[in-house]
Amino acid sequence: EAQVTQNPRYLITVTGKKLTVTCSQNMNHEYMSWYRQDPGLGLRQIYYSMNVEVTDKGDVPEGYKVSRKEKRNFPLILESPSPNQTSLYFCASSLKRLPYNEQFFGPGTRLTVL
Amino acid sequence: LAKTTQPISMDSYEGQEVNITCSHNNIATNDYITWYQQFPSQGPRFIIQGYKTKVTNEVASLFIPADRKSSTLSLPRVSLSDTAVYYCLVGDMRRGNEKLTFGTGTRLTIIP
Repeated sequence: EAQVTQNPRYLITVTGKKLTVTCSQNMNHEYMSWYRQDPGLGLRQIYYSMNVEVTDKGDVPEGYKVSRKEKRNFPLILESPSPNQTSLYFCASSLKRLPYNEQFFGPGTRLTVL
Repeated sequence: LAKTTQPISMDSYEGQEVNITCSHNNIATNDYITWYQQFPSQGPRFIIQGYKTKVTNEVASLFIPADRKSSTLSLPRVSLSDTAVYYCLVGDMRRGNEKLTFGTGTRLTIIP
């Protein structure tokens, strides 16, 4: 089944404790992206990747890191999480088949930073 | 990036046609218009995408006037299961520019 998976789905952690949220897709998509969703603010893009070893900042990259060493994986790293990073996080992927660009989203990761 | 403006919320009765309009006054020549649907606690799901005039698929229609400064998502004969948040995106789909902004969306509530 074609899908985007994220792990963990739920995470409660404490300020300053490094964490990684994994994202994997099995559709051979070149493009992957991370979003965070907060009440009243909609979905905001954190980072995106056009292909392996190619990443760029979205609208809210501060406090996050990403890497794209393999095509299928795009982990989101919080080196020193803070309470303002408490949010619902979504990973997405799509083909770079211009101009059609349907993004497939993962199920989400709900992160709480105490 | 073209900024989009949508109504914050809309209500409609079951069986009616619902039209959600998105304003994007600064749309660029290479920008496409895409709509997504999101249910609570789920990731958004692609609905439809277009560049100009009218696009129709099995779930919706997208109307784009000649000046492309706005677009309208049309959902025919809505049901309770269409209650969701709908996002309008405008983005340049050319190679090398895929930074996308979702905005806050329109919360559509279908009333029995």
